[in-house]
Amino acid sequence: GAVVSQHPSRVICKSGTSVKIECRSLDFQATTMFWYRQFPKKSLMLMATSNEGSKATYEQGVEKDKFLINHASLTLSTLTVTSAHPEDSSFYICSAGDRDGYTFGSGTRLTVV
Amino acid sequence: GEDVEQSLFLSVREGDSSVINCTYTDSSSTYLYWYKQEPGAGLQLLTYIFSNMDMKQDQRLTVLLNKKDKHLSLRIADTQTGDSAIYFCAEISYNTDKLIFGTGTRLQVFP
Repeated sequence: GAVVSQHPSRVICKSGTSVKIECRSLDFQATTMFWYRQFPKKSLMLMATSNEGSKATYEQGVEKDKFLINHASLTLSTLTVTSAHPEDSSFYICSAGDRDGYTFGSGTRLTVV
Repeated sequence: GEDVEQSLFLSVREGDSSVINCTYTDSSSTYLYWYKQEPGAGLQLLTYIFSNMDMKQDQRLTVLLNKKDKHLSLRIADTQTGDSAIYFCAEISYNTDKLIFGTGTRLQVFP
């Protein structure tokens, strides 16, 4: 079946630095990937839709300049959290697929100290 | 806009059946999904149902859909301790083509 690999699984960074999270579709091509953020005790919130070869589509309330998304190839999308702050600490998950089924990465636990 | 709601907690005894409920507001939903999230892990697709179906059974899992009431349920038969996790329902809106998640239900199975 379809596999989505997300890396790293955990990262701790200092406040003010930037962190890049990678999402790869291993055995299929994904023209569209999705980035979610999970807040403690809350559901997954869609942050943005990553489109191969074009700009990402951000959901309302998501800062484009803070959460940079790059989808340079059909198998790779990256999310860069710029100038991270402690409130950016969260669980970030990517996914790829279509209506027949979405496959999710294993998630990245970001802790900003 | 689209809204998907679930109860936050469910506690059941091992061997009993679990029923996790979900309500949604978008009448244009096309696909509805159930995902499982184990502690510290990503999401695993358990099953899905098309909006023109009433029921789908897959081994220990039974999904019931009441489209009139916009109510979706997941029944887990013979619940085991390994079923302890957070269960998310999700729907795709025909209008937006976005996957919208419910709040998640934490299922706890005790001996």
